Amino acid sequence: KQEVTQIPAALSVPEGENLVLNCSFTDSAIYNLQWFRQDPGKGLTSLLLIQSSQREQTSGRLNASLDKSSGRSTLYIAASQPGDSATYLCAVDQAGTALIFGKGTTLSVSS
Amino acid sequence: EAGVAQSPRYKIIEKRQSVAFWCNPISGHATLYWYQQILGQGPKLLIQFQNNGVVDDSQLPKDRFSAERLKGVDSTLKIQPAKLEDSAVYLCASSFSPGVLYEQYFGPGTRLTVT
Repeated sequence: KQEVTQIPAALSVPEGENLVLNCSFTDSAIYNLQWFRQDPGKGLTSLLLIQSSQREQTSGRLNASLDKSSGRSTLYIAASQPGDSATYLCAVDQAGTALIFGKGTTLSVSS
Repeated sequence: EAGVAQSPRYKIIEKRQSVAFWCNPISGHATLYWYQQILGQGPKLLIQFQNNGVVDDSQLPKDRFSAERLKGVDSTLKIQPAKLEDSAVYLCASSFSPGVLYEQYFGPGTRLTVT
């Protein structure tokens, strides 16, 4: 059974810092991996989708990497801003079906 | 492009009452998902539809939860009777098709509180 773990559960950083969020999964047979952002009381916003054949994806200040063989992904946020404060969720898609999510990392960026 | 719409946004009910949630996916999206997100947890799939057929409902508590997707577009999720542990955010998502290339797009969710 696929399990997704995110470390750390919470992270506080001052504005301007670069930071890394970690995601690990137990079954490497995935189709793709998605990183989402969730603001309090809101739905999920997709940030990046990495297909199983890809190693990384970039969008603005965000860079996500995928190492399928080791069951790991990282989300790198450059030059963090207070507006980046949110919960970041990692999810894997094993067979083109429903996503399996981690519990998320809650990020707080102080000005 | 309009996003996934859900209503109501918030609902408070007493245990043993019934409640229904509505979802309208992005136009043209054949696949629709209902997820349950308990506070502090990641979303968990309840049911997945492909057009108006059920693909996966293995984690749906069928003694109290039901869902339908008539005409392959809108969907409703019902809980009857509700329990305290059903307090959660119910998220609807849609994708063009299940598969590698198709991202899931999420609605704003319905926050249910059962007292």
